[in-house]
Amino acid sequence: GAVVSQHPSWVICKSGTSVKIECRSLDFQATTMFWYRQFPKQSLMLMATSNEGSKATYEQGVEKDKFLINHASLTLSTLTVTSAHPEDSSFYICSAQDGTRVGEQFFGPGTRLTVL
Amino acid sequence: AQSVAQPEDQVNVAEGNPLTVKCTYSVSGNPYLFWYVQYPNRGLQFLLKYITGDNLVKGSYGFEAEFNKSQTSFHLKKPSALVSDSALYFCAVRDSLMGFQKLVFGTGTRLLVSP
Repeated sequence: GAVVSQHPSWVICKSGTSVKIECRSLDFQATTMFWYRQFPKQSLMLMATSNEGSKATYEQGVEKDKFLINHASLTLSTLTVTSAHPEDSSFYICSAQDGTRVGEQFFGPGTRLTVL
Repeated sequence: AQSVAQPEDQVNVAEGNPLTVKCTYSVSGNPYLFWYVQYPNRGLQFLLKYITGDNLVKGSYGFEAEFNKSQTSFHLKKPSALVSDSALYFCAVRDSLMGFQKLVFGTGTRLLVSP
């Protein structure tokens, strides 16, 4: 149980285009989902926290108009990178948490974004 | 604010030998502590957690960790390392006083197990 999927697993796009990444909790309802960004050989940087049905809470320094997060249902959150540029190239990982397992987040497999 | 330190960028160990990956933390309230493992181009896999109770926590794949409140440490251990344990390991902490579920991660420690 507690499986989180991400789609796509990798994406290559041209500069200026927008890319949407989906994060789904497959066998549980995720009241809270998180989006992280990971640079090569570095730790995970929390970008934002989203609760179902409400606006995401962004970490300091993360542009909310650049990284649009929607958590429309208890099993789906999306991250849209708008007007992507090469510096947005990174590994994006989502995680999901339900209300019954204290403190434990379940992570998706990640999405590798390359902006040309 | 909570923080996590993983002082070693890399740990090298021979297969069959015991391994330790170090982690220290800082929180205002009580710590919720986690270890995750990451294989190349993959997301994080949960290994184990400490919330309350016994200081020695056993987790997946034979790993265990010991919570030491006086030293504010939560080192990851395994009695006998396998080559397949080679990966990137992250320690993470949540502060019980924080209003939501934010996890703070350490910088990660790369474990290399040689045959």
